[in-house]
Amino acid sequence: SQQGEEDPQALSIQEGENATMNCSYKTSINNLQWYRQNSGRGLVHLILIRSNEREKHSGRLRVTLDTSKKSSSLLITASRAADTASYFCATVTTYNTDKLIFGTGTRLQVFP
Amino acid sequence: GAGVSQSPSNKVTEKGKDVELRCDPISGHTALYWYRQSLGQGLEFLIYFQGNSAPDKSGLPSDRFSAERTGGSVSTLTIQRTQQEDSAVYLCASSLFGFFSDEQYFGPGTRLTVT
Repeated sequence: SQQGEEDPQALSIQEGENATMNCSYKTSINNLQWYRQNSGRGLVHLILIRSNEREKHSGRLRVTLDTSKKSSSLLITASRAADTASYFCATVTTYNTDKLIFGTGTRLQVFP
Repeated sequence: GAGVSQSPSNKVTEKGKDVELRCDPISGHTALYWYRQSLGQGLEFLIYFQGNSAPDKSGLPSDRFSAERTGGSVSTLTIQRTQQEDSAVYLCASSLFGFFSDEQYFGPGTRLTVT
């Protein structure tokens, strides 16, 4: 079963708008990471947030983590066409730190 | 200025044949990871190496899959007696220290097609 599930599965927005993607997970985590994937290959690490952190920023990206709700969100502000990609959350659980478990992904389409 | 490289980039093989996929991590990275991504799906974790050791092999889908890493560098993922369900993109990543606490750098993947 999936540890992480993203919501929505697909999101279409116009350039300049903000995009919010959510990730829910089932068991307690050591950390949660967000990745971007273009064209079915090329995974790129975006942000890592640890279980004792609540929010992190990186450029136009903002990640929040709510361990009480077992959820995280990724906000991309002022989106660009180049942000079009699939976004995945991935978790390292506290019971097994030797695995990184990916969610199902959100497909983001940004129209110019 | 090499990133993670994988070879071959594409592999088409007949059902029942063995295949070997190669990953060259970033120089100096101690941890190396293998993932599999089926069409339109998320990533499935397969195995991770810290140095030459793999602490947890339970992610490998079946005993037809094996992986090794030598010299703390190059890794090979071998699939014996390939099946059509093995068709996927196989991605390798490396990181400096491992234990999933630092950034992973991914290679471009090997697209495996079993006919």
